Amino acid sequence: GENVEQHPSTLSVQEGDSAVIKCTYSDSASNYFPWYKQELGKRPQLIIDIRSNVGEKKDQRIAVTLNKTAKHFSLHITETQPEDSAVYFCAASRKDTGRRALTFGSGTRLQVQP
Amino acid sequence: ETGVTQTPRHLVMGMTNKKSLKCEQHLGHNAMYWYKQSAKKPLELMFVYNFKEQTENNSVPSRFSPECPNSSHLFLHLHTLQPEDSALYLCASSQRGLAVTNEQFFGPGTRLTVL
Repeated sequence: GENVEQHPSTLSVQEGDSAVIKCTYSDSASNYFPWYKQELGKRPQLIIDIRSNVGEKKDQRIAVTLNKTAKHFSLHITETQPEDSAVYFCAASRKDTGRRALTFGSGTRLQVQP
Repeated sequence: ETGVTQTPRHLVMGMTNKKSLKCEQHLGHNAMYWYKQSAKKPLELMFVYNFKEQTENNSVPSRFSPECPNSSHLFLHLHTLQPEDSALYLCASSQRGLAVTNEQFFGPGTRLTVL
């Protein structure tokens, strides 16, 4: 089955700096890669996703890049703000079957220092 | 209430008790999931149901027994749990199929403490 590795496990940045979280996956057939954000005491929520036919996707201050050859994808947050502090999870799945669940990474705790 | 709801939000039980967690989704989705979230394994998939059919069981001990009577409701029946089962149990739902994103919507979770 799929295995998703996520690094780093914790990340501390100064407000205004950029943050990068990286994930690798093992199943070359995976073609859907979402990122979830979980604030303290709250439920995980989707913030951005990318499909394997796209190399990069942006949404305001967040962007995700995908390298299918190397089987890794990354989340980039620019101009970080204190409200970006949360745990971020990457995930991977195969959409072609429509039956496989997401496999999540182990999470990255991002702390943005004001 | 909209989205995904879970009851109870907090549960304390002894190792000999039997209790059930309930999840309900109001999004018209066709798939539901149970996850266990703890410090050791942040988001650990337990069970997956597609159209009420269990499609994945990630080697979960038999003291956890899921039930999906219809596509809107999901239960997790608990019996003879161990203290290490204390965790946040999250329910999620999604619309699965080839033409959709498979975005999962999570409930608020049930914080379970086993004494």
